[in-house]
Amino acid sequence: GQQVMQIPQYQHVQEGEDFTTYCNSSTTLSNIQWYKQRPGGHPVFLIQLVKSGEVKKQKRLTFQFGEAKKNSSLHITATQTTDVGTYFCAGHGSSNTGKLIFGQGTTLQVKP
Amino acid sequence: DARVTQTPRHKVTEMGQEVTMRCQPILGHNTVFWYRQTMMQGLELLAYFRNRAPLDDSGMPKDRFSAEMPDATLATLKIQPSEPRDSAVYFCASGLVQGAFGNTIYFGEGSWLTVV
Repeated sequence: GQQVMQIPQYQHVQEGEDFTTYCNSSTTLSNIQWYKQRPGGHPVFLIQLVKSGEVKKQKRLTFQFGEAKKNSSLHITATQTTDVGTYFCAGHGSSNTGKLIFGQGTTLQVKP
Repeated sequence: DARVTQTPRHKVTEMGQEVTMRCQPILGHNTVFWYRQTMMQGLELLAYFRNRAPLDDSGMPKDRFSAEMPDATLATLKIQPSEPRDSAVYFCASGLVQGAFGNTIYFGEGSWLTVV
């Protein structure tokens, strides 16, 4: 079945450093979504990418969808302590049944 | 402010007991998901429904777990009998599937289950 893999599993950075998490799917995706979960909280939707090669920005966050629609990345510029949490990518398969499969997540720690 | 509501928020139960978790999806959403989150397995999809009909429950241990949607405002996840390995956070999420581009889903705050 469809699998979504994320690396790294954990990342510790100094405040002000950049951070990137990568997401890879075993199958072509119709779209990919990113969620953030704060410690003790629940996943919250950040963004959805649909088009091949698409790049979207939200302030210091840059999201990319690969040309083959099988991989994606999230890059945070100049991390802040408020960026702490776990970032998940989640993919819909090419036959959109609504089934959303999550990657394992990347947990980001930011040292002030 | 529309949100997904889950009960109970926290549950401690003894092994062998029945556990029922409830979810009220956002009004108007046609898709409901149950996910389980553990440190080891991340977010696992257990089951999901479209317009109250079960679409996929392949991620759910069938011998002890069951998921239903008795009506559009209520989804339930039952574990009978519960085991210590079922200890996890169980999230319900709902979304509105439109067109071919998937749907944003909104998570409830989770039910934190501990089986001792």
